[in-house]
Amino acid sequence: NAGVTQTPKFQVLKTGQSMTLQCAQDMNHEYMSWYRQDPGMGLRLIHYSVGAGITDQGEVPNGYNVSRSTTEDFPLRLLSAAPSQTSVYFCASSSPSIEGYGYTFGSGTRLTVV
Amino acid sequence: GQNIDQPTEMTATEGAIVQINCTYQTSGFNGLFWYQQHAGEAPTFLSYNVLDGLEEKGRFSSFLSRSKGYSYLLLKELQMKDSASYLCAVRVRGGSYIPTFGRGTSLIVHP
Repeated sequence: NAGVTQTPKFQVLKTGQSMTLQCAQDMNHEYMSWYRQDPGMGLRLIHYSVGAGITDQGEVPNGYNVSRSTTEDFPLRLLSAAPSQTSVYFCASSSPSIEGYGYTFGSGTRLTVV
Repeated sequence: GQNIDQPTEMTATEGAIVQINCTYQTSGFNGLFWYQQHAGEAPTFLSYNVLDGLEEKGRFSSFLSRSKGYSYLLLKELQMKDSASYLCAVRVRGGSYIPTFGRGTSLIVHP
């Protein structure tokens, strides 16, 4: 049981490049979310999904797209990378079977945009 | 939206007790979480409170007062490995069950 798996762990992009951060979970969780974490800012919600085929925007969605074609996968796409998107990105999943719908987080992707 | 406030940093001595406070202002409160995050790692779930009172789990306890918009995380018999950030997160009714996180409290435990 791997939990939530994020790839890659580290990435350096040039301004204007696009890329996809991968997130997969093997716990059959309905809910999945993407957060970014910046120093002094805490975790901020980018996008989330409450089930396959359903996504919605969070607090800071601009510059990012998501899709949820399967229960297991929830990729995050950066359309045209900007230095302001330098951050640590966490994917998380949850389910009604977990106390209070508490999250299980992936290990994170550290992204630098130069 | 929600306004969640935690102290930025706290220090404590190994073996002591420390209390990390979290205050929030929100409508439709539906639960409060505490997460622990070691440097360079992912957050891990510590506790969940939805009713008033104290929940105890080993050396960690979490308290909630909904009328005061207040929670605290109590860590007893501090160990060096407890040095980490502690994140308070609040969930509101609305169907999505997506919590909003505070900025976290960095706890430094020294010998």
